[in-house]
Amino acid sequence: DTGVSQDPRHKITKRGQNVTFRCDPISEHNRLYWYRQTLGQGPEFLTYFQNEAQLEKSRLLSDRFSAERPKGSFSTLEIQRTEQGDSAMYLCASRGISPEQYFGPGTRLTVT
Amino acid sequence: AQSVSQHNHHVILSEAASLELGCNYSYGGTVNLFWYVQYPGQHLQLLLKYFSGDPLVKGIKGFEAEFIKSKFSFNLRKPSVQWSDTAEYFCAVKDAGNMLTFGGGTRLMVKP
Repeated sequence: DTGVSQDPRHKITKRGQNVTFRCDPISEHNRLYWYRQTLGQGPEFLTYFQNEAQLEKSRLLSDRFSAERPKGSFSTLEIQRTEQGDSAMYLCASRGISPEQYFGPGTRLTVT
Repeated sequence: AQSVSQHNHHVILSEAASLELGCNYSYGGTVNLFWYVQYPGQHLQLLLKYFSGDPLVKGIKGFEAEFIKSKFSFNLRKPSVQWSDTAEYFCAVKDAGNMLTFGGGTRLMVKP
């Protein structure tokens, strides 16, 4: 399967713990996006990479959130000192030259 | 900031009924428009897209959408729905920036 993959698919953590999610985009795509989706809502943009450069960050991305894409391939999203309000589905998407984005299955985070 | 509105949060139809889901956006400049679908237990999939040209675009599984620039709308239609169309449908807009802005989604249930 050559689609976008994300790991883990589910993560349960206790409040205050740090978590890290991984996204592997479609191999020829140089643009990578992170979104967050809560129940009953559409996905909301968090951050955007072109190759290894993080070019855009949403105001939703607080100081506790950090994302990296060190070699322009996979990306990681880390949340430090998790809060219950961080519980959501974290989606990764990638795209090539054409504007349409292709989404992965998401990582569902539950903070207890 | 861009905003996207989907007016119907829940729609229930019988098989063979016609479908129209509304989507309106706020940005007045050049946009790329998308409809994504999320079937139960699956990830977001691209249903159709509009970049330019013919405002009536056809997507997969018999879906089509019409871009009406004067109304800032991109409504999704299908002449005859099937039980397998039960899913959540998201309208998304890309303006001059890099990210997608999504509507809140419409849950469609098709009764057999």
